[in-house]
Amino acid sequence: GEDVEQSLFLSVREGDSSVINCTYTDSSSTYLYWYKQEPGAGLQLLTYIFSNMDMKQDQRLTVLLNKKDKHLSLRIADTQTGDSAIYFCAESRMIKAAGNKLTFGGGTRVLVKP
Amino acid sequence: GAVVSQHPSWVICKSGTSVKIECRSLDFQATTMFWYRQFPKQSLMLMATSNEGSKATYEQGVEKDKFLINHASLTLSTLTVTSAHPEDSSFYICSASSGTANEKLFFGSGTQLSVL
Repeated sequence: GEDVEQSLFLSVREGDSSVINCTYTDSSSTYLYWYKQEPGAGLQLLTYIFSNMDMKQDQRLTVLLNKKDKHLSLRIADTQTGDSAIYFCAESRMIKAAGNKLTFGGGTRVLVKP
Repeated sequence: GAVVSQHPSWVICKSGTSVKIECRSLDFQATTMFWYRQFPKQSLMLMATSNEGSKATYEQGVEKDKFLINHASLTLSTLTVTSAHPEDSSFYICSASSGTANEKLFFGSGTQLSVL
C-alpha cells in the first residue's frame, strides 16, 4: 500500500531557510502536495506538483521532486514566525469515479524562533 | 484558492446522540468530497469518499452505519455521527477537489467533536 514518511520536527531561526523532507512509496502517484495546518484549523493547500515535474517555485516556496528516489521536499525561504505550523506532505492517486485520493504523511512540526 | 466551508467548528454532545457536520464548496462544484478524521498530534485518516448522487465509499475499518454520509448536491456533503460515544471524539475534516483534473484539494476548517 501507500506510505508517506516525514520527519517529526524542525526548528529554524527567523530569516533562515527551512527544508522539510518527505518520502513516499507509491510510484503511481499523480500529484504530490504540501499542506500547512495551524492549531485547531483545517489544512491550507500551499503548493502541489505534478509527478512528471521536478521543481516548482511559488514565491517563498520551492518544491523539489526526485521521482527516482521518491523524495519530495519543501523549501521555505526567509522563514517567518508565522510559518510555525505543522506541514503535511501528501501523495495522490487518481481513483476512477472518486477523484484524487490522498495519503498523508505524519506531519512535520516547524518551529520558527525569533 | 477555492473555499470549502465546514460547519460547525466545534460541537459538544452527550453520549448516544447524533451529530451532523456539513461541508460546502462555496465557489465551485464538487462531485467528490472526502471526509477525514484526525487525532491529536497525528495525521489525517481518510474515512470515506463522498460522491454526489451515489453511495459513499468507506475505507476499511470505518463503520458505514456509524458514520452516515450524504452528498445530495454538487456543493454539499454531510457526515452524521450516529449514537456518538466518547471514542468518537476527534477532529473531522472534509475536503473537495477542484481544477481541470481535480488535482487541487481544498480542506474545510474542521469540526472538533467532543462526546461526553
